Amino acid sequence: GEDVEQSLFLSVREGDSSVINCTYTDSSSTYLYWYKQEPGAGLQLLTYIFSNMDMKQDQRLTVLLNKKDKHLSLRIADTQTGDSAIYFCAESRTESGAGSYQLTFGKGTKLSVIP
Amino acid sequence: DVKVTQSSRYLVKRTGEKVFLECVQDMDHENMFWYRQDPGLGLRLIYFSYDVKMKEKGDIPEGYSVSREKKERFSLILESASTNQTSMYLCASSFAQVTGELFFGEGSRLTVL
Repeated sequence: GEDVEQSLFLSVREGDSSVINCTYTDSSSTYLYWYKQEPGAGLQLLTYIFSNMDMKQDQRLTVLLNKKDKHLSLRIADTQTGDSAIYFCAESRTESGAGSYQLTFGKGTKLSVIP
Repeated sequence: DVKVTQSSRYLVKRTGEKVFLECVQDMDHENMFWYRQDPGLGLRLIYFSYDVKMKEKGDIPEGYSVSREKKERFSLILESASTNQTSMYLCASSFAQVTGELFFGEGSRLTVL
């Protein structure tokens, strides 16, 4: 079955770059996602990448996708204290018969930013 | 502004009680989901629904049931709460057949004593 793996903790200094890594197993995933969860809140979509892309950049965020190795990474440039949160990697699979997407999430990486 | 609203942020119940968790979305989404989130285990899918009166089991449906009588509302029911159901419950919704982006509520933290 599908499984999404990511490290549980990452600590960086304010102003440095953060890189959060993720591996997934379902090669048929159409989209791969990064969600952010701030303390006491639900998850919010940060960015996503279509499976035929290698890279996507959005302001301070860079997503890299290596389909051969089934590896996804999220780079946050100039990390700020407001970036402290849990970051979830997720892959999509299409439910047969429903035609709807269902996501499988990793366990989340808790990013701590040291001032 | 799009919104997924969960009726209770915090609940405390006793073992054996029946518990209802309500979720309402105002985006006319076809799909709705219930997840539970536990430290070190991430998000696990309990049930989902892709249409009114339709429901599908997720990865951990045991001990739970759901109801979707209206498109905007998806309820999670614990028929007889147990201590191992103490958790954070997250509701989400999405359009069908688009990117699969989920919109989440703020969560309901349930404690079963």
